[in-house]
Amino acid sequence: GQSLEQPSEVTAVEGAIVQINCTYQTSGFYGLSWYQQHDGGAPTFLSYNGLDGLEETGRFSSFLSRSDSYGYLLLQELQMKDSASYFCALNTGFQKLVFGTGTRLLVSP
Amino acid sequence: KAGVTQTPRYLIKTRGQQVTLSCSPISGHRSVSWYQQTPGQGLQFLFEYFSETQRNKGNFPGRFSGRQFSNSRSEMNVSTLELGDSALYLCASSKTGTDYEQYFGPGTRLTVT
Repeated sequence: GQSLEQPSEVTAVEGAIVQINCTYQTSGFYGLSWYQQHDGGAPTFLSYNGLDGLEETGRFSSFLSRSDSYGYLLLQELQMKDSASYFCALNTGFQKLVFGTGTRLLVSP
Repeated sequence: KAGVTQTPRYLIKTRGQQVTLSCSPISGHRSVSWYQQTPGQGLQFLFEYFSETQRNKGNFPGRFSGRQFSNSRSEMNVSTLELGDSALYLCASSKTGTDYEQYFGPGTRLTVT
């Protein structure tokens, strides 16, 4: 089967940088996505890595290493509004996303 | 541009009943996927439809079914409801069915009593 592990919770202060790690086990996938979900809200797409390496989108960057079965999401210049849950997900074909366990990020002033 | 809409937003049902949830994708999107979100199991893929055809299915019992109409709107049905079916049901749409970005709706909160 496929599984993804993430830390359950990460805390940081405003203005800081935080990294959320994601390790996975799978027999095959197309890429690794990251989604943000605020309490009571819908998941929203943040980033996608189809190839190994770093992808940068504004304050967010994501990294993938297929050889290490590992990826991470890097959030810079943290803001209070970044407090949310973050999910990594394997894109496995025909729009099927296999989601990780989720990481709750708490940003304090 | 309107986002993905789901109706109803909240629903309370009794064990043994059946329920139908509706999802309208973003205009022009032809792929609709359904997910179940629970505190214990997280986000789990149910199925995906593209141009009225189910292309992919998750590991859920046959009580969970769905369909897609010619206008890309989708419905999912759960028969013989169980307490464990209480969850947030999310649908997501994408334009071509091969896009890596999916747009999620606000979800339907189903409570089974």
